[in-house]
Amino acid sequence: QSVVTQPPSASGTPGQRVTISCSGSSSNIGSNPVNWYQQLPGTAPKLLIYSNNRRPSGVPDRFSGSKSGTSASLAISGLQSEDEADYYCGAWDDSLNGPVFGGGTRLTVL
Amino acid sequence: EVQLVQSGAEVKKPGESLRISCKGSGYSFASSWINWVRQMPGKGLEWMGSISPTDSYTNYSPSFQGHVTISADKSITTAYLQWSSLKASDTAMYYCARRGMDVWGQGTTVTVSS
Repeated sequence: QSVVTQPPSASGTPGQRVTISCSGSSSNIGSNPVNWYQQLPGTAPKLLIYSNNRRPSGVPDRFSGSKSGTSASLAISGLQSEDEADYYCGAWDDSLNGPVFGGGTRLTVL
Repeated sequence: EVQLVQSGAEVKKPGESLRISCKGSGYSFASSWINWVRQMPGKGLEWMGSISPTDSYTNYSPSFQGHVTISADKSITTAYLQWSSLKASDTAMYYCARRGMDVWGQGTTVTVSS
């Protein structure tokens, strides 16, 4: 079991806005920035959001991140079929002295 | 272009040894730690450990300490993940990723089966 918790699944229809939550503790999310990763089927994870709410070059502004206390969330607006993927949150954990990941959320576009 | 390119898929028998690689290019390899991440079939991401290519200092997750060895050769900008005796439970996809997890390798599938 992951020390960071995500819902196993989420869904939405095209054009809708969906959010994915990520809950951790004081040793990870509570004291370190959060990243979000997108893993399309059969591919490597890709950095989607870093430092809680910053987008790497090339990531559409439909994707946004936020953090409050020991929780974080990823929002996807204007949902598209190509957004169907697994999404993971991650943060450095001071107790582990390494990064931890959430268990992942599978997003289905209905 | 910043890239991490991993070695190809491996099929091994239990008890065999294995070393997989991750070659960096397009950036100063020595200046950025390399992480190894496991993804078992149908499961999530697990951090295994990391290495500083500058001095080969390593940092392992307690879950993997003693089960794998991480090394690097900065002269050929390559990091390695190795097993001395594979188990069926090592069957997984293995990814390398640069510190900050901003760049990932394409992954190496390891299948351990008798």
